[in-house]
Amino acid sequence: EVQLVESGGGLVQPGGSLRLSCAASGFTFRSNWMSWVRQAPGKGLEWVANIKQDGSEKYYVDSVKGRFTISRDNAKNSLYLQLNSLRAEDTAVYYCARGGFGELFPIFYWGQGTLVTVSS
Amino acid sequence: DIQMTQSPSSLSASVGDRVTITCRASQGISNYLAWYQQKPGKVPKLLIYAASTLQSGVPSRFSGSGSGTDFTLTINSLQPEDVATYYCQKYNSAPFTFGPGTKVDIK
Repeated sequence: EVQLVESGGGLVQPGGSLRLSCAASGFTFRSNWMSWVRQAPGKGLEWVANIKQDGSEKYYVDSVKGRFTISRDNAKNSLYLQLNSLRAEDTAVYYCARGGFGELFPIFYWGQGTLVTVSS
Repeated sequence: DIQMTQSPSSLSASVGDRVTITCRASQGISNYLAWYQQKPGKVPKLLIYAASTLQSGVPSRFSGSGSGTDFTLTINSLQPEDVATYYCQKYNSAPFTFGPGTKVDIK
């Protein structure tokens, strides 16, 4: 059974930083593109970033470029999202998500999400 | 970047009705279009990918069609458990933008 378990969310002040983690199990982690998707309270889904199997390609939505960094550790079956220079509008549930073997695949599996709240 | 729109933003229909949701891309995306269902308080679930391929385990009353810029999600015979918000997503190239969602409830 595919499992994606996020951690690392919490309350942080504007301008602060946070590192989200996602522990993956139940599939061959190193074989899949992985993504982060977020959802602000009461709002729709926003794709944030994705990363290739070996970490050599990474893509971001414009609103987080230069502030967020996606990374992975295949030896630990883990996905990460470093959030810097946080703003109130970054407040959201952040979902870890599994794509396919190639870049051009939808999201097949989702974690339960971790809440990030940016507030003073 | 390619923008995704959905219509309507919400709808109310009776059990057994046929429901149609439209998704439009601002530029052609071939068939790189997925539909997700998010029930209240739950995690999104993939329903359809490649515009018309039903994900394993999804009831056959759900179907998708379209290519290029215009896509449709159809629910044949709406059921109470279909109350949810439905999102389309393009994945032909980054950013993999979602549509704004369509909220479906029972009349």
